[in-house]
Amino acid sequence: EVQLVESGGGLVKPGGSLRLSCAASGFTFSNAWMSWVRQAPGKGLEWVGRIKKKADGGTTDYPAPVKGRFTISRDDSKNTLFLQMSSLKTEDTAVYYCTTFDYAAFEIWGQGTMVTVSS
Amino acid sequence: QTVVTQEPSFSVSPGGTVTLTCGLSSGSVSTSYFPSWYQQTPGQAPRTLIYNTNTRSSGVPDRFSGSILGNKAALTITGAQADDESDYYCVLYMRGGISLFGGGTKLTVL
Repeated sequence: EVQLVESGGGLVKPGGSLRLSCAASGFTFSNAWMSWVRQAPGKGLEWVGRIKKKADGGTTDYPAPVKGRFTISRDDSKNTLFLQMSSLKTEDTAVYYCTTFDYAAFEIWGQGTMVTVSS
Repeated sequence: QTVVTQEPSFSVSPGGTVTLTCGLSSGSVSTSYFPSWYQQTPGQAPRTLIYNTNTRSSGVPDRFSGSILGNKAALTITGAQADDESDYYCVLYMRGGISLFGGGTKLTVL
C-alpha cells in the first residue's frame, strides 16, 4: 500500500524552528518528486515547496512566503522527506501535508501533521 | 501578483451536473498550466481527482471530468451525489516551477 506518514508537528514559539518528517512506503521513493502543502485553520491549501528526485538534480523550489526560512531535503536511503522550518511566524500555523508530485500535480497525500506557532 | 480564482461556493441538486472553474487574475488558463483538481472534506486530507487537465486519478469515478472551457480550467461533476459535498481546489503549475492553489470552492449538494 502506498503511504505517506508525517510526524514532528507541535507547538513552537515565534522565531523558533521545527523539523517535520515524512516516511514513505509502497513506492520507489528515490524516483519521486516530493512536495509539502499546508493548510491554516479554516483556510485553503498552500504549496510550501518541492524537491526533485536526485536523478533530476535534487533541486528545490519554494514560494515567496517561505523562501529563505524553509528547507526541504530527502534521505532516499531511509525513504524519508524532511521540512526544516526556521524563523517561524504565527502565520505558519497550519496542518502540513507531505505529497508526491507527478505530472505537475500533487498525487498521494499523507494525513498531515499540525504545527502551531504561538507564544 | 497572480491569483488563481475559483467560485467561493456553488450548489447542485442531487443527480444534477455542476461545473466549477479555475481562472487567472490576469491571462487565460491553458493546458500549459497542467491544471489539477482536489477534493477535501472537513478534517480529511485532500484527494486528487484530476491532473494534467483531464486525466482522472486512480479510483476516481468517471462522474468527475476535467477540461478547458474558454479561458479557464473546469471540473464537471455529473450525477452529483450527497458525498460530493466537499471543498474543491484547483492548482496551476506556473513558470519557474511554482504551484499555485486557488482559494477553493465549497460545493453544497441539496
